[in-house]
Parts: sequence; structure tokens; C-alpha cells
Amino acid sequence: NAGVTQTPKFRILKIGQSMTLQCAQDMNHNYMYWYRQDPGMGLKLIYYSVGAGITDKGEVPNGYNVSRSTTEDFPLRLELAAPSQTSVYFCATSQWTSGYTDTQYFGPGTRLTVL
Amino acid sequence: AQSVSQHNHHVILSEAASLELGCNYSYGGTVNLFWYVQYPGQHLQLLLKYFSGDPLVKGIKGFEAEFIKSKFSFNLRKPSVQWSDTAEYFCAVTPYAGNMLTFGGGTRLMVKP
Repeated sequence: NAGVTQTPKFRILKIGQSMTLQCAQDMNHNYMYWYRQDPGMGLKLIYYSVGAGITDKGEVPNGYNVSRSTTEDFPLRLELAAPSQTSVYFCATSQWTSGYTDTQYFGPGTRLTVL
Repeated sequence: AQSVSQHNHHVILSEAASLELGCNYSYGGTVNLFWYVQYPGQHLQLLLKYFSGDPLVKGIKGFEAEFIKSKFSFNLRKPSVQWSDTAEYFCAVTPYAGNMLTFGGGTRLMVKP
């Protein structure tokens, strides 16, 4: 099993460009998350999904969009990239079990630079 | 909303020294607590977790953490660190029955051989 995969690993964007960060999982988990990690700031939740067709905003959703058409995939869309979106982006999954969400499993990350 | 504080941003230790990393959270209800580790160039992985029961939990690679409810703390400990423990450590909390983790800012640990 691949677990959680993310593509691309690295990307450089110019200001105003758009791109989609891909995330796929083969763990059959119902919950999926997108985080950004900035130095010294820990991880901040951008968006999450509790299942196909259902998404919700996290702590820092501005400038991003998501969709979840299947259990396996949870792409993150950046529209009109800005330097403030330079960060490392992590996708994660977890399983809702008996009333609580369990361990989150993380992908390898995408390092994005906006110039 | 809950928050998590990790007071030590950078820690440097020599091999065989003991480790304790602080984690405090703010939330009035029942919580689930986690420590994640990120080794250089790798993605985050679970070190240990606490949901209920014995407040002293043991994780992988000899790590343990103690949940002290009265102090809203979940400190991570290891009696003797190794060079391979060099990594960034993140404490995280979610309310019981919650579906979002809140992470602390992380602690970078460097272990000198």
C-alpha cells in the first residue's frame, strides 16, 4: 500500500499563477486534510473533508479551494498564487472511529515557492 | 477553540542525555492528545497518543508522555536520547469527538553525537 501520496514534490510558481496540489490515499479513510507548515508555526489546517462530496474550512482557508469527488482523492487548488502561500503543504488522512477521529497519516509534502 | 503551546522551540542535547519536551493545551473538555515526529526530509509520523486510561503512554523508539489533566499538559520524555532522535516534534490536540487537530509550533531537537 502506498498510503498517502502527494504530487508534485516541489513547485515554483509566479505571482498570480494557479496550480493544483494532488493528494491520493489507498487507506480507505473517510477523513482527509490539507495543512500548511511554516517555520516555527507548526501546521495550520487549510481545509478538510469528512467524506466524498463534503468539505469544510479549517483555520487558514483564504486563497485555496478543495473538492472531494471520491474517497481516494482530495486536491487542493491555489488560485492567484501569492508569496504568502510559499510553504510546505501536507495532506493527511484519518478514520472516524466510534465517535472520534484517530491517528492522522501524512503524505510526504509539497514544497511550494511563489516568486 | 483549543490551542497548543510548545515552549521549547529549539533543544540541543548530547547523546545519552534525558529529554523532556513541554506541551500545554487550552481546552476545557475531554481531549485526545498526540505527539508526532518529523525526521529530516521525512513526513510526520505518529510517536504516541493518549485517548483514555493510564495517563502514562508509551510510544515508539522509547518515548513516553504523561497526561496531567490538572495542568493541561502532555509532556514528552525519553530517558536517553540518540543521534537518530534529531527531528522536529509536534504536540497536537483534538476535542473528544472532534475532527480537527490543533498543532503546537513544534520543537526542533538536535542531538550531538
